[in-house]
Amino acid sequence: GAVVSQHPSRVICKSGTSVKIECRSLDFQATTMFWYRQFPKQSLMLMATSNEGSKATYEQGVEKDKFLINHASLTLSTLTVTSAHPEDSSFYICSARESIDGYTFGSGTRLTVV
Amino acid sequence: GQQLNQSPQSMFIQEGEDVSMNCTSSSIFNTWLWYKQDPGEGPVLLIALYKAGELTSNGRLTAQFGITRKDSFLNISASIPSDVGIYFCAGRYNQGGKLIFGQGTELSVKP
Repeated sequence: GAVVSQHPSRVICKSGTSVKIECRSLDFQATTMFWYRQFPKQSLMLMATSNEGSKATYEQGVEKDKFLINHASLTLSTLTVTSAHPEDSSFYICSARESIDGYTFGSGTRLTVV
Repeated sequence: GQQLNQSPQSMFIQEGEDVSMNCTSSSIFNTWLWYKQDPGEGPVLLIALYKAGELTSNGRLTAQFGITRKDSFLNISASIPSDVGIYFCAGRYNQGGKLIFGQGTELSVKP
């Protein structure tokens, strides 16, 4: 079955630094990937839709300059949290669209900003 | 962002009991999906529904796509301890489009 690898699974960074999270589709090509943010005991909130070779589409209220998305290849999308602050601490999850109906999720990245 | 209305928020049940949870939306969806999420992991797809009225099973799980296209339910029969987790519904307006998630139902099963 389709597998999506997300790395790192956990990261702790200092306030003011940037962190990059990778999302890879291992056995299929994904022209579209999605990035979500999830706070404890809450739902997944879509941040942006990442399209290979073009600019990401951000949801309302998501700062595109803070959450940089790059989808340079058919198997890799990256999310960079720039100038991270403690309020950016969260669980970030990606999903890759493997087919018109199939979406596979990564295992998530726990970001803690200290 | 937009969310679906999912209930109940949490359930504490005895092993062997049946469970039911549902989602409603003010908008019409063309696809309903049900996911399970374990702590520290991404969601895993349980059941996908593509047509109004569709009733689909996956082992002890059964889900239905409401005929109004604005609601869906998930039933789990004869619950077991490994059913513990958070269950999310998700709706999609069009094929290949983004998913809108419910708030989740946290299920606890007492052996």
